[in-house]
Formats: sequence, structure tokens, C-alpha cells
Amino acid sequence: KQEVTQIPAALSVPEGENLVLNCSFTDSAIYNLQWFRQDPGKGLTSLLLIQSSQREQTSGRLNASLDKSSGRSTLYIAASQPGDSATYLCAVPQTGANNLFFGTGTRLTVIP
Amino acid sequence: EAQVTQNPRYLITVTGKKLTVTCSQNMNHEYMSWYRQDPGLGLRQIYYSMNVEVTDKGDVPEGYKVSRKEKRNFPLILESPSPNQTSLYFCASRSAGTDTQYFGPGTRLTVL
Repeated sequence: KQEVTQIPAALSVPEGENLVLNCSFTDSAIYNLQWFRQDPGKGLTSLLLIQSSQREQTSGRLNASLDKSSGRSTLYIAASQPGDSATYLCAVPQTGANNLFFGTGTRLTVIP
Repeated sequence: EAQVTQNPRYLITVTGKKLTVTCSQNMNHEYMSWYRQDPGLGLRQIYYSMNVEVTDKGDVPEGYKVSRKEKRNFPLILESPSPNQTSLYFCASRSAGTDTQYFGPGTRLTVL
């Protein structure tokens, strides 16, 4: 069964820093990986989806990379802002994408 | 506005009292799912539906029921809630043609 791990569980950085969040998965036979953002009291918002054929995907200050062979993905956030404070989750689909396996998330705090 | 809505957002109930959490999406999505989120365990899928009248179990279906009589609605039913069903519940949907999932705002359920 797929297991998804995110380290660290929590991270605090001063505003303006570049940072990297890590995600690892045990079964490399995936066909995509998604990064989500979760704000307190709100649902999950999809940030980036990387297909298995891609190495990375970019959206604004966010860049996600995927290395299937090593079972790793990273989310790079450039020039962090207090508004980036949230929990970031990565998820990989089970066959058919009817189920997503989620990591337990990294809670990011950006200090003004 | 494209969205997934859930009601209620917060619910406190007692053991054994039947309850229903509603989920509705306005994007004409075929796939809908229910997840529960617990500290240290991440999000786990309860049930999913591939289309009207087609539902199947996820990873943690015990104690839950679902129905999909209409494409836009996917209610989660707890016939006899127990304290171990205290959790944060999310409904999600996606189109059959894409991998990106859209999540509702969550329902925080407490069973006393």
C-alpha cells in the first residue's frame, strides 16, 4: 500500500526566505502527484499537479519537482510571504485516481 | 462560482443519533469522494462515486453510507455515529477528464 511522508511536520521561516517542502512516497508506480494547500477552517486548494512524464511544474512563486525513481517530490516556494502560512499536503493517486493517498502535511509559518 | 459545498460545517451530536452531511458540486463532475482527516493519519478516503448510482468503498468505509441519486449531490450518512467518528470530513469532486480534485470547506463532526 502506498505510503506518503512529509518532513518536516512544521516549519517557521522569516518573510522573504526561499524554502523547500519535501514529500516522499513508497510506490513509484504513480502517474501524477498533487500539492495542496490547506488553510484553517477551509478546504484544500490544489496548487500544482505534476504528471509522471513531467519533471517539474511552476505556478507563480511555486515550483514543484518530481523524481519518480527516487520516490520524491519537492515544493519550492520563492520569496515567502506571511500569506503563504498554511499546511501543505502532497497526494498521489491510487490506480484510476478514485483515491488519493495523502501525506500528513507540513505546517508552514512565515513570520513577518 | 465553481465550488463544492458541504453542510453543516460544524456538528456536535451524541452516540447513536443518525446524521447526514450533505455535499453538492456545481461543476457537473462525475467523480465525488468523501475523506476524513485525523491528526497524524492525514486524509483517508471513506467512499467514492464514479457517477450517478455508482459508488464504492474507500479505505475506511465502516460505519458510513453514501448515495448518489443525482450527479451534483453525494451525501454522507452515519446511521449510528460513535465517538471514533469524531473527525474533519471533506467532500471532493473531479471531472472524468482531469486529475485535479476540488475540495469542499470541511465539516467538523464531534460525537459525544
